[in-house]
Amino acid sequence: AQSVTQPDIHITVSEGASLELRCNYSYGATPYLFWYVQSPGQGLQLLLKYFSGDTLVQGIKGFEAEFKRSQSSFNLRKPSVHWSDAAEYFCAVGVSDSGGGADGLTFGKGTHLIIQP
Amino acid sequence: ETGVTQSPTHLIKTRGQQVTLRCSSQSGHNTVSWYQQALGQGPQFIFQYYREEENGRGNFPPRFSGLQFPNYSSELNVNALELDDSALYLCASSLARRQGNTEAFFGQGTRLTVV
Repeated sequence: AQSVTQPDIHITVSEGASLELRCNYSYGATPYLFWYVQSPGQGLQLLLKYFSGDTLVQGIKGFEAEFKRSQSSFNLRKPSVHWSDAAEYFCAVGVSDSGGGADGLTFGKGTHLIIQP
Repeated sequence: ETGVTQSPTHLIKTRGQQVTLRCSSQSGHNTVSWYQQALGQGPQFIFQYYREEENGRGNFPPRFSGLQFPNYSSELNVNALELDDSALYLCASSLARRQGNTEAFFGQGTRLTVV
């Protein structure tokens, strides 16, 4: 079964500084990888996704992520954070389509991003 | 194009009761998944419905059940509520059968409190 680890529970970054949120996954085949953002009491909004091809993917709100197969990682980055980026960030993995039933997405426990003025 | 909508937004139930949560999928989507998100945790996959049939299930007991209707809307039913069922329940819709190879669009969730 697949799993996702987000090693940082909380991260504090100053407004305007760069950001990197870590995500490591465990899955035997090529994964489908996602980053979602969740504001308090809200649902999940997709920031970006990796299915195949270019390992550096661009998302919304100026975010990007890089898939590194050798490190089983899919870290999220942003060059300059804004106060509105404060939220909970979730990395998720989906299984590749091999037929049969669906397993849904497996999420990490999330990283809470705090922005300092 | 309408997004994923869930109802109700908040709900308080007593232990032992039954609850039904509803989800309208995004226009054109034929697959609906349900997730449970406990406070401070990531969402956990409950099950998925495709063409009105359960298509996959996570590690949840049978008292969690669901339905999908011909218009692809869905219900999540939980019987014999326990205190630990208190959580945010998220519905996600997508186009493909397998969740992993296409985007899943999430609703705002239903906050269930069991007292």
